[in-house]
Amino acid sequence: GESVGLHLPTLSVQEGDNSIINCAYSNSASDYFIWYKQESGKGPQFIIDIRSNMDKRQGQRVTVLLNKTVKHLSLQIAATQPGDSAVYFCAESSGGFKTIFGAGTRLFVKA
Amino acid sequence: DTGVSQDPRHKITKRGQNVTFRCDPISEHNRLYWYRQTLGQGPEFLTYFQNEAQLEKSRLLSDRFSAERPKGSFSTLEIQRTEQGDSAMYLCASSPGPSSGSEQYFGPGTRLTVT
Repeated sequence: GESVGLHLPTLSVQEGDNSIINCAYSNSASDYFIWYKQESGKGPQFIIDIRSNMDKRQGQRVTVLLNKTVKHLSLQIAATQPGDSAVYFCAESSGGFKTIFGAGTRLFVKA
Repeated sequence: DTGVSQDPRHKITKRGQNVTFRCDPISEHNRLYWYRQTLGQGPEFLTYFQNEAQLEKSRLLSDRFSAERPKGSFSTLEIQRTEQGDSAMYLCASSPGPSSGSEQYFGPGTRLTVT
């Protein structure tokens, strides 16, 4: 069936370093691939998405890369800050409807 | 605060009881979604509405679960004859409509504990 998963359950980085969070997906028919951030006690918060016909998209301090050949998605966070500590989910959707989430990667930022 | 709101934030109930949760989406958002999230997992899609029409239901949504959005604004999710396996965070999200892309705006969730 459809699935979106993550390579690593936890990631620990030093404040100021760049973070890279990886994700593997299996449904090539999705037209959006998305990253969400979830802090403790809160609902997920949209970070950035990328359409399936793109391979790179940049936002503020974040870059998402899509490699359709190997069905791999990554989120790069530049100059990681303590406020970036959270669980990050990759997700995929078709037509902005049903969104399928992966299991999440917990990012720890060390001061 | 004009974000998505959910009520109650926490609910403890005994097995076999019925519970109902409410979600108020962002004003003028046409689409409303329900998800279930268990500890350490990503949200699992349950169902979504386009205005008042329920357009898709997950196979996870058993006959004990029902969702409504009667006037295309707020929505309710009811679980009948709750089971311990229903214990989870129930998340609601909304989005503007067909041309709005993938972004969904999530509420804080209702945490259900079935004892």
